[in-house]
Amino acid sequence: QKEVEQDPGPLSVPEGAIVSLNCTYSNSAFQYFMWYRQYSRKGPELLMYTYSSGNKEDGRFTAQVDKSSKYISLFIRDSQPSDSATYLCAMMINTGNQFYFGTGTSLTVIP
Amino acid sequence: DTEVTQTPKHLVMGMTNKKSLKCEQHMGHRAMYWYKQKAKKPPELMFVYSYEKLSINESVPSRFSPECPNSSLLNLHLHALQPEDSALYLCASSPREGGSPLHFGNGTRLTVT
Repeated sequence: QKEVEQDPGPLSVPEGAIVSLNCTYSNSAFQYFMWYRQYSRKGPELLMYTYSSGNKEDGRFTAQVDKSSKYISLFIRDSQPSDSATYLCAMMINTGNQFYFGTGTSLTVIP
Repeated sequence: DTEVTQTPKHLVMGMTNKKSLKCEQHMGHRAMYWYKQKAKKPPELMFVYSYEKLSINESVPSRFSPECPNSSLLNLHLHALQPEDSALYLCASSPREGGSPLHFGNGTRLTVT
């Protein structure tokens, strides 16, 4: 079993839809949770960074962490064609430099 | 534009060539990383430098040789690569070891012929 599981999609939604992206994990030692957006032929861009359980909002993006269920989500409201990208979740334990990535979900927002 | 700058953006090299990838950050971050990413896969860790010292080498073949000349610069020296080494090579930095997120550059797309 992988440490981090993420549905690879692809996911295709109409413009304006609410998008839900999810990752599950098995290691209860994970304490830090990140979401990255990666456009084709670019590096991953940090979107959200959270530590505790609960919700964190930034503009149209909301990151949700449920440590009891070992489940994290990224919600995108009013999705735009410019949101079309691959979204990677990542996690880390408090110490050390090891980041554990999901496989990424490919999202297309159709105008 | 990202705050982690990588050069070159593209590189084509033969199996007998020697080349170097360069990475620079001016955010004052003390940890720097090399990752390798194949198409439709997540980044795979290669090396970590913390305070300019190599702290992690993920059993990377010796044809890849990292170097950290100072806290802002990270190089990856390439020699005698194989076609299967073709990938996107990503540099990243973080403020410190542990508990802080990675900031990636846009990568060098390497093709080995």
